[in-house]
Amino acid sequence: QVQLVESGGGVVQPGRSLRLSCAASGFTFSNFDMHWVRQAPGKGLEWVALISYDGSYKYLADSVKGRFTISRDTSKNTVYLQMSSLRPEDTAVYYCAKELDASGGHYAMDGWGQGTTVTVSS
Amino acid sequence: SYELTQPPSVSVSPGQTASITCSGDKLGHKYACWYQLKPGQSPVLVIFQDTKRPSGIPERFSGSNSGDTATLTISGTQAMDEADYYCQAWDSSTDHYVFGTGTKVTVL
Repeated sequence: QVQLVESGGGVVQPGRSLRLSCAASGFTFSNFDMHWVRQAPGKGLEWVALISYDGSYKYLADSVKGRFTISRDTSKNTVYLQMSSLRPEDTAVYYCAKELDASGGHYAMDGWGQGTTVTVSS
Repeated sequence: SYELTQPPSVSVSPGQTASITCSGDKLGHKYACWYQLKPGQSPVLVIFQDTKRPSGIPERFSGSNSGDTATLTISGTQAMDEADYYCQAWDSSTDHYVFGTGTKVTVL
């Protein structure tokens, strides 16, 4: 079955950078779009980024555009979130998620990792 | 930017029906889905493409979407259904996924 394992979270000072990784298994990684979603403490879910199955298009939430980038390495079945110029409001649990459908449509996320915690604090 | 609004909380007695609404401009023209999120766990997709249930999701979960409102209905609610629920849609005008504000379902 779908397994997504995030890593790379931690405590980081404002303005610094961090890279999150998500190792995927149990499905044909190269066929599916992948997402990052976050949940700040006491807040709701917030979609952060999407990368297409082949990396040809990438979409980012307005709150992170210009600071975060999403990428993928099909040879390693891994998706990344490079976060720079981090702010205290980026503090959250970051989830990696798999798009439901391999058709290229944008529908839902049917597989989620356990999340990795990022804390931005001085 | 596109917004999806949900009631902050819904209370339901065991065995009764819980209905959670999700409102957004012309939401019925988009596909809506729903996630269940319990404390300390990862989100679980319970409804996609307005009305479809993923494999393994109980039949008591159902969905609808028309006009400006999508609705998640839990029939015969059980204590294990107590959780936060989020709607979500794809906004093609901005190429953004959008989550609703979330609803806490309490089974009294």
